[in-house]
Amino acid sequence: KAGVTQTPRYLIKTRGQQVTLSCSPISGHRSVSWYQQTPGQGLQFLFEYFSETQRNKGNFPGRFSGRQFSNSRSEMNVSTLELGDSALYLCASSLVPRTDTQYFGPGTRLTVL
Amino acid sequence: AQSVAQPEDQVNVAEGNPLTVKCTYSVSGNPYLFWYVQYPNRGLQFLLKYITGDNLVKGSYGFEAEFNKSQTSFHLKKPSALVSDSALYFCAVSVGTGNTPLVFGKGTRLSVIA
Repeated sequence: KAGVTQTPRYLIKTRGQQVTLSCSPISGHRSVSWYQQTPGQGLQFLFEYFSETQRNKGNFPGRFSGRQFSNSRSEMNVSTLELGDSALYLCASSLVPRTDTQYFGPGTRLTVL
Repeated sequence: AQSVAQPEDQVNVAEGNPLTVKCTYSVSGNPYLFWYVQYPNRGLQFLLKYITGDNLVKGSYGFEAEFNKSQTSFHLKKPSALVSDSALYFCAVSVGTGNTPLVFGKGTRLSVIA
């Protein structure tokens, strides 16, 4: 069974631009979660989606948004990029939220210049 | 609110020696506990989980963890460390009720020295 895939793997953007990251979950998984990983803050929860509904949102500004499609694929968008948005963005999928094992993709490395 | 603490930022161990990476948690209700490992420039890989049952959980790559309810701990262990075990380890906790997402600790960097 194919694992979680994330595209693109690497991105370089400039301040003020916007970016869209994509995540394809493991086949059959209906829950997708997004995390931001930085050296200083560790793993921070962004969003959790299940069956196209956002079930949880972390403590991030409104510039961060996401959605999930009917095929369970998910996207996250960051508008008006700031230098501090540079991070590894990780997507994880599971059968159901919270209690089932989450399987992570390789991440998208975003660099904001 | 649930939380996870990994009290050591860094653990150093000699190859062949036993290793322990510590994790304590705080939840309201019965915990679902997970350990993940992250190698450089990679996503997190699942190692093992505790939901219910036997307090000693065996996982991938020879790792195991012991659930201790009275001490609210879930320490990761391996009898004999390998250099290839050097990585960043994360503990995570969730509960079966409510709507709080999975919460991760800050991570512990394990260095196994040959």
